[in-house]
Amino acid sequence: AQTVTQSQPEMSVQEAETVTLSCTYDTSENNYYLFWYKQPPSRQMILVIRQEAYKQQNATENRFSVNFQKAAKSFSLKISDSQLGDTAMYFCASAGGTSYGKLTFGQGTILTVHP
Amino acid sequence: NAGVMQNPRHLVRRRGQEARLRCSPMKGHSHVYWYRQLPEEGLKFMVYLQKENIIDESGMPKERFSAEFPKEGPSILRIQQVVRGDSAAYFCASSPIQGQNTEAFFGQGTRLTVV
Repeated sequence: AQTVTQSQPEMSVQEAETVTLSCTYDTSENNYYLFWYKQPPSRQMILVIRQEAYKQQNATENRFSVNFQKAAKSFSLKISDSQLGDTAMYFCASAGGTSYGKLTFGQGTILTVHP
Repeated sequence: NAGVMQNPRHLVRRRGQEARLRCSPMKGHSHVYWYRQLPEEGLKFMVYLQKENIIDESGMPKERFSAEFPKEGPSILRIQQVVRGDSAAYFCASSPIQGQNTEAFFGQGTRLTVV
């Protein structure tokens, strides 16, 4: 069984600043993946970044990077140079075992970027 | 390559009616996953299907809900005798052959409103 917890219901940041969204997880799987998804007002689920648990190196995608602490079961998302278009709900998710499309999502964090 | 297509985008049903939600996966994808998102919550896994087979239905309510993914045509999520509590956004995701990709691509969702 897997659980994902996002303890920050809402966050805000000024444009061009950096913000970090927190996520902790628990899993009994030896092999698993972690994801951050963005859901803008359009409701489309957009993959932001993913991390393979067996890789020690933190994943990076342009302005988005993660801090993956496997022992602590922590997976935070850092957004650098925040843009107004980053305003959205952000979900942390995990998938494990052999069914990588079967995702367990956290409750979400609403991020607002202010001009 | 078109993305995951869901229709309708919005569906209104009266209590007691049936709701049919359709999902056409991305070309070449043979795995389909259905999720439900209640207001102000994260997505919850419902069911995982491959062509003509239900692989994992651990998230499906025991009554009134069913899903299929026939050899030809879209995957269908069917809700019989809808109640107000079924009002939610229903998302479909698809992925290619297991083990070759760790990303599930999401459709834009169907928002079901039961009146």
